[in-house]
Amino acid sequence: KNQVEQSPQSLIILEGKNCTLQCNYTVSPFSNLRWYKQDTGRGPVSLTIMTFSENTKSNGRYTATLDADTKQSSLHITASQLSDSASYICVVTFTSSGGYNKLIFGAGTRLAVHP
Amino acid sequence: DGGITQSPKYLFRKEGQNVTLSCEQNLNHDAMYWYRQDPGQGLRLIYYSQIVNDFQKGDIAEGYSVSREKKESFPLTVTSAQKNPTAFYLCASSADRGRNSPLHFGNGTRLTVT
Repeated sequence: KNQVEQSPQSLIILEGKNCTLQCNYTVSPFSNLRWYKQDTGRGPVSLTIMTFSENTKSNGRYTATLDADTKQSSLHITASQLSDSASYICVVTFTSSGGYNKLIFGAGTRLAVHP
Repeated sequence: DGGITQSPKYLFRKEGQNVTLSCEQNLNHDAMYWYRQDPGQGLRLIYYSQIVNDFQKGDIAEGYSVSREKKESFPLTVTSAQKNPTAFYLCASSADRGRNSPLHFGNGTRLTVT
């Protein structure tokens, strides 16, 4: 069954600290993996996309990694800021047998950054 | 600014009433999507449309209906047949059916049915 599992479910850190969010997937055949940031009461916004051949990709203080062999991805946030408080959603895309793209969403990790 | 506009932001309805959620985009995207978001769960696809006058059921289409008469608009109707309609509804669009381009989301409509 195609699934995306994220951990932890929620996380509290102090401003300025680093943190790492995890995403494990069983989706196959894999096309790409994207991380989204969702502020409370808003729609998700894409942070980064990882394809099969990419191991690491950075977007400012956000760094995503991908291990396609173990089917794991992580999102590392450096020097956290209060504005990083949000839910972070891992989304894996695969191409179905019918040839169309299907997205599997993780339930998200809710991050709270405290001053 | 290009983007997706969902309205209203909050919607309250009595059980048994149909309700229509609006979604408009000015990104010139062919593909549009409706998702439902519930606490502790990943987004679930309700309906999607890859071109005007065509749409397909997603994973949880029962109790919902859509139309795609214009490229810019993709309204969702939550019918009285939807057994648990209270949720946060997100509309999205993409440039290449989501293969490599990201989904662009609206800011959602929170529907409460009592």
